[in-house]
Amino acid sequence: DGGITQSPKYLFRKEGQNVTLSCEQNLNHDAMYWYRQDPGQGLRLIYYSQIVNDFQKGDIAEGYSVSREKKESFPLTVTSAQKNPTAFYLCASSPTSVPTDTQYFGPGTRLTVL
Amino acid sequence: KQEVTQIPAALSVPEGENLVLNCSFTDSAIYNLQWFRQDPGKGLTSLLLIQSSQREQTSGRLNASLDKSSGRSTLYIAASQPGDSATYLCAAVDTNAGKSTFGDGTTLTVKP
Repeated sequence: DGGITQSPKYLFRKEGQNVTLSCEQNLNHDAMYWYRQDPGQGLRLIYYSQIVNDFQKGDIAEGYSVSREKKESFPLTVTSAQKNPTAFYLCASSPTSVPTDTQYFGPGTRLTVL
Repeated sequence: KQEVTQIPAALSVPEGENLVLNCSFTDSAIYNLQWFRQDPGKGLTSLLLIQSSQREQTSGRLNASLDKSSGRSTLYIAASQPGDSATYLCAAVDTNAGKSTFGDGTTLTVKP
């Protein structure tokens, strides 16, 4: 099956800890994205990558970090510097970095800070 | 900065009704406007994508229109079914940064 997978589905973190959310795609897409969704709200862009070994900050990058060492993988680390990390995190990909491409979304990871 | 608004935030209709969901955006310089469906606790599923040069797209019982000059898009759902119950989000991709700006969504409940 082709698609985007995110793991884990649920993640619990203690304050002061860093955690890494996984995002993998086997669609051979060039571009990948990370979004944050808070209850009753739309998605906000954290980071995006248009090509391997390159990524750019989105609208709310503070307290997050990413890497893009492989085309199929785009992990997101939520650091202790992120003041309010409890949220639903969605990863997406698109065939190219052309803005007219459709984005395809993974199932999401729900992060809760204890 | 692009702002996308969806009204109403929630909508409840009886099964079989035709309904319209609204999406407005402040900056008309967009590449496209996309409608998504999100079930509780799940990711987003793309429903329809309208390029800036198009005025509407249709898929089954769904029809989406785009009026760039007025900054509005609508999603029309014909003969609604309980299985249509979900949150519907729209997203505009602006030409300045090539990034998507999402609305907060409309949560639709279709009662049997």
